[in-house]
Amino acid sequence: QKEVEQDPGPLSVPEGAIVSLNCTYSNSAFQYFMWYRQYSRKGPELLMYTYSSGNKEDGRFTAQVDKSSKYISLFIRDSQPSDSATYLCAGTNAGKSTFGDGTTLTVKP
Amino acid sequence: SAVISQKPSRDICQRGTSLTIQCQVDSQVTMMFWYRQQPGQSLTLIATANQGSEATYESGFVIDKFPISRPNLTFSTLTVSNMSPEDSSIYLCSVEGSYPNYGYTFGSGTRLTVV
Repeated sequence: QKEVEQDPGPLSVPEGAIVSLNCTYSNSAFQYFMWYRQYSRKGPELLMYTYSSGNKEDGRFTAQVDKSSKYISLFIRDSQPSDSATYLCAGTNAGKSTFGDGTTLTVKP
Repeated sequence: SAVISQKPSRDICQRGTSLTIQCQVDSQVTMMFWYRQQPGQSLTLIATANQGSEATYESGFVIDKFPISRPNLTFSTLTVSNMSPEDSSIYLCSVEGSYPNYGYTFGSGTRLTVV
């Protein structure tokens, strides 16, 4: 079993939709969690990180962590075509990150 | 957050040859990380490179295949040796952020195709 499992997608939504991206994890030692966005032919860029259960909001993005169920989510409000990318979740323990396989999102104008 | 320059951005190589990938960071960092991202798959950590000491390799990766240099606090190289088509992948270097910019910053990657 992978330590981080991510909904595989791909996901296609119309512009303006609310997008929900989800991961589960099995390693209870993960100290914090991150979401990365990766555009084609680019390296991943950090979107958000959180280290406690609850919600963290940054503009149109909300990261949610539920440690009791080992579930992490990223919500994108008012999605834009520029949000079209692959989104990677990751859990980190002792400085090492374990990544999900990524979900490819396409936002259609 | 740090800015990372990685080169080459892409290369096509013959099997049996070696390729050295360079990673330059615009600030001094203790640890640099090398990842591999195979098509449609997750990022896999190859090794952690500390300046002044041997790199630490993850399970499944060995120094003979992926030798790493770390001559100073802003630079590292990863060599992919004796390449085979199975080595075709994207290779990324990364550094860890510090408060308040936690998380990792990645280079734009090297897209390697072995023929």
